[in-house]
Amino acid sequence: DIQMTQSPSSLSASVGDRVTITCRASQSISSYLNWYQQKPGKAPKLLIYAASSLQSGVPSRFSGSGSGTDFTLTISSLQPEDFATYYCQQSYSTPFQFTFGPGTKVDIK
Amino acid sequence: QVQLVQSGAEVKKPGASVKVSCKASGYTFTSYDINWVRQATGQGLEWMGWMNPNSGNTGYAQKFQGRVTMTRNTSISTAYMELSSLRSEDTAVYYCARGSLYDILTYYYYMDVWGKGTTVTVSS
Repeated sequence: DIQMTQSPSSLSASVGDRVTITCRASQSISSYLNWYQQKPGKAPKLLIYAASSLQSGVPSRFSGSGSGTDFTLTISSLQPEDFATYYCQQSYSTPFQFTFGPGTKVDIK
Repeated sequence: QVQLVQSGAEVKKPGASVKVSCKASGYTFTSYDINWVRQATGQGLEWMGWMNPNSGNTGYAQKFQGRVTMTRNTSISTAYMELSSLRSEDTAVYYCARGSLYDILTYYYYMDVWGKGTTVTVSS
């Protein structure tokens, strides 16, 4: 099974800060990596798919990069509505055996 | 609009089964997979499996093999997830999510529409 790790597990940041979250896969997954945002009590929301493609309707301050085993989600200028938990998820395994990272909680400094 | 509407909260005793429904609207139900993801309180997301509503084909996470069954009723655009032999550790919010393919050449796959979740509590 492909294992996913994320760092940091949590971070505190201020509005306007540039925030970077890292996700690492236990083996190469090419660009089969998605990012989701989840707010308390709500369902996850797709932000980025295929490592770097922005989902329709998602603000351009979100961006994704990476391939192989190392990936990054960047929020260029943190907004109040961005305080949430972020999860990476690999979609490489066939037949499908998807796995999520443990999450990174972004809260207010 | 495209949405997935899930059934209401359930309380079950250990050893029982639970069946959660997920009704799709706003798109062609048989054109997209349905995935199931769960989340225990304060914990991360855990993928349980997927189903192709057109063929009925399924794939389950190894952890749930033998205990989970995913089915559908295409006439009412509804997917179901049944989990048996419930134990306290199965207490969680269960989400259905639409699985979409970017294209069939690259096979980039993601979950782009989510239900609001169904709380399942297992308690004696």
